[in-house]
Amino acid sequence: AQSVTQPDIHITVSEGASLELRCNYSYGATPYLFWYVQSPGQGLQLLLKYFSGDTLVQGIKGFEAEFKRSQSSFNLRKPSVHWSDAAEYFCAVGPSNFGNEKLTFGTGTRLTIIP
Amino acid sequence: EAQVTQNPRYLITVTGKKLTVTCSQNMNHEYMSWYRQDPGLGLRQIYYSMNVEVTDKGDVPEGYKVSRKEKRNFPLILESPSPNQTSLYFCASSPGTGLSNQPQHFGDGTRLSIL
Repeated sequence: AQSVTQPDIHITVSEGASLELRCNYSYGATPYLFWYVQSPGQGLQLLLKYFSGDTLVQGIKGFEAEFKRSQSSFNLRKPSVHWSDAAEYFCAVGPSNFGNEKLTFGTGTRLTIIP
Repeated sequence: EAQVTQNPRYLITVTGKKLTVTCSQNMNHEYMSWYRQDPGLGLRQIYYSMNVEVTDKGDVPEGYKVSRKEKRNFPLILESPSPNQTSLYFCASSPGTGLSNQPQHFGDGTRLSIL
């Protein structure tokens, strides 16, 4: 069964500082990996996704993530955070085959930005 | 505009009073799914549908029903709601040809409180 672990429940970062959110997954084959962001009172917005190919993927809002098969990780990074990045971030893994396209989510990391 | 629309956005009701949360998508997607989001648990899948008249259980289906009579609509039905179904609910859709095409689109969520 697929699973996702986000070890950090809450992270606080100063505006302008760099950010890395950790994500580890468990899946029997090559997974499809996603990062979603949820702003307060909003639904989930896709930041980026990895299916295959280049292990460094670029997303919206200046985010990027790197797939590391050897570490079963898909960490999210941003070189310089903005106050508007304060939100909850979810890593998710999906099956790489047709069928129930269920996304298995991590428990989320809440990001707080301080001035 | 491509979107997944859920109604209502907020609902407070009492134990045992049947309720329906509607979900509609305008992207002609085949795959639709319901998730619930609870603090510390991330999002968990309730039911999914791979096409009209095809539905199946997700990870936490107890106490819920769904139907898929039309491609665009996928209502979530709570026949006899109980307080443990108090949660934030999300509907999602995707083309259904495998996650490599497009990610799932999420609605803005429905916050249910069962007293």
